[in-house]
Amino acid sequence: GESVGLHLPTLSVQEGDNSIINCAYSNSASDYFIWYKQESGKGPQFIIDIRSNMDKRQGQRVTVLLNKTVKHLSLQIAATQPGDSAVYFCAEIRDNQGGKLIFGQGTELSVKP
Amino acid sequence: EPEVTQTPSHQVTQMGQEVILRCVPISNHLYFYWYRQILGQKVEFLVSFYNNEISEKSEIFDDQFSVERPDGSNFTLKIRSTKLEDSAMYFCASNNVIVYEQFFGPGTRLTVL
Repeated sequence: GESVGLHLPTLSVQEGDNSIINCAYSNSASDYFIWYKQESGKGPQFIIDIRSNMDKRQGQRVTVLLNKTVKHLSLQIAATQPGDSAVYFCAEIRDNQGGKLIFGQGTELSVKP
Repeated sequence: EPEVTQTPSHQVTQMGQEVILRCVPISNHLYFYWYRQILGQKVEFLVSFYNNEISEKSEIFDDQFSVERPDGSNFTLKIRSTKLEDSAMYFCASNNVIVYEQFFGPGTRLTVL
């Protein structure tokens, strides 16, 4: 069936440390993956994306890794800051599904000062 | 920077009443979406809309739900007869390329009493 799931519901890190948030997906036909950040009371905010023909993509302080062999996606945040505290969702889009985003359960990242 | 807007921010209604949630997508976008998020849960896809018709819809989007783009700027979600379980945050999103980042609005919190 359809599922995009996350390994850990909560993650607590010290300010300045690196954070790694993981995501497993079940359908190898997924074409495109996005990481969203959601702060309390707000809508999901785009962080970074990656297409299925790539293994790695880097942004500003964030890196997404895609391992298609084990159907695993990760988000790495370098030098985590208090403003990074939020819930992080991975989401996938499969072609031919009208742009339907399938979200995972979410990981709550808490950054300790 | 252009953004998706939604009104109202909070809607309280009685069970059985009709509600209309409003969204103004980013002006040059062509694809429009509604998602919902029950408190503490993941974001769930409801419907996608392109070229004045529904592209894809989920099992949640039953006959009680409808969408409309009544003019060149608004995109609405109507729930004809609300149920208690319709209480959730409803997010509108839009983009210009179907398999690409979706830009989310701030959401409407619907409370059904």
